[in-house]
Amino acid sequence: NAGVTQTPKFQVLKTGQSMTLQCAQDMNHEYMSWYRQDPGMGLRLIHYSVGAGITDQGEVPNGYNVSRSTTEDFPLRLLSAAPSQTSVYFCASRGGHSTWNTIYFGEGSWLTVV
Amino acid sequence: AQSVTQLDSQVPVFEEAPVELRCNYSSSVSVYLFWYVQYPNQGLQLLLKYLSGSTLVKGINGFEAEFNKSQTSFHLRKPSVHISDTAEYFCAVSDPSGSGGSYIPTFGRGTSLIVHP
Repeated sequence: NAGVTQTPKFQVLKTGQSMTLQCAQDMNHEYMSWYRQDPGMGLRLIHYSVGAGITDQGEVPNGYNVSRSTTEDFPLRLLSAAPSQTSVYFCASRGGHSTWNTIYFGEGSWLTVV
Repeated sequence: AQSVTQLDSQVPVFEEAPVELRCNYSSSVSVYLFWYVQYPNQGLQLLLKYLSGSTLVKGINGFEAEFNKSQTSFHLRKPSVHISDTAEYFCAVSDPSGSGGSYIPTFGRGTSLIVHP
């Protein structure tokens, strides 16, 4: 049972480069989300999705794009990386109905933009 | 919208001593409350949650938390900590009536628990 899988775990980008952080879950969860974690800031929601084909913005969406073509995958795209996007990124998912209140997190992706 | 305040950014404590990590939330409606733990270089794991019922909630690893509606608090406690409890702890609140029922949690800024031998 893999849970929530994020790749890559570490990445260094140059300013202006683009990249995609991958997130996949094998629990058939409807809800998926991306957070960024910065020192002293806790976790801030970037984008979320309540099902395939449905996405919405969170607290800090600027500079990031998402799509949800399948239930399993929820990639996060940085179109033109900036140093301010240096952070640790977490993907999370949760099920519906009886399992709605438990969120499962991936192990994180450490991104440095130079 | 709800907000979460974790009053201490860092809590140092000696092994086998008791500890309390404080969490206050602001919301005028009924909420769901959570504590998550993050060990170094890992994702977050659910420690415990309050949805309804008894205000004293027991979680994993000997932790417990008490929901106090009048003080809008959800403090986390452990009577005797171990070196392995050294981690970042996050309080989170979810409003079941908001966000189209998506129950999106709002996280506090975290409290770093440092257990010294």
